[in-house]
Amino acid sequence: DADVTQTPRNRITKTGKRIMLECSQTKGHDRMYWYRQDPGLGLQLIYYSFDVKDINKGEISDGYSVSRQAQAKFSLSLESAIPNQTALYFCATSDNRENTDTQYFGPGTRLTVL
Amino acid sequence: GQNIDQPTEMTATEGAIVQINCTYQTSGFNGLFWYQQHAGEAPTFLSYNVLDGLEEKGRFSSFLSRSKGYSYLLLKELQMKDSASYLCAVRGNTDKLIFGTGTRLQVFP
Repeated sequence: DADVTQTPRNRITKTGKRIMLECSQTKGHDRMYWYRQDPGLGLQLIYYSFDVKDINKGEISDGYSVSRQAQAKFSLSLESAIPNQTALYFCATSDNRENTDTQYFGPGTRLTVL
Repeated sequence: GQNIDQPTEMTATEGAIVQINCTYQTSGFNGLFWYQQHAGEAPTFLSYNVLDGLEEKGRFSSFLSRSKGYSYLLLKELQMKDSASYLCAVRGNTDKLIFGTGTRLQVFP
């Protein structure tokens, strides 16, 4: 069973629609992250959460919002989707108690905004 | 500013050795990570360096020189399945990772 799951895996939507991407983890990690990846660019941090009551903006948070519903769940919302938000989205988790605080990634959600 | 540089593409032959370099300039340093990413899939963790020197893990090794802001990932006995992108990432002084754009490695028979 996968430790970090993302739903949906693929999504096609239209400009102006609100959509939500969900991430769940069974690793018991306290830290969760949302990244987007575009061809030729590195992973860019959208939002991150170091515990349930902690939410922080990353490099590219405009147009996105998040919710940390529980330690195991971290959702990313696009309030009004636009075509340049077409990308591959990854959720990641890490454990602050672990010496290296290594991030482990979910399988990704491929989002297309028409 | 913060910057991580790595070559865009590399090619190598099955059975050979390849070295992928990464240079970085960041605000603070709290570790360097290498990830492997096959096309359309999630990045998977390969190695972590926080002290200078070489860390060996099977066919993969990673080296760090903090004074030079430099790391490399060494892949030995290349296999076709090693064709992937390799991402260098640095943790600065804010607990966040900064990723390079990745090096796409193609292994030919």
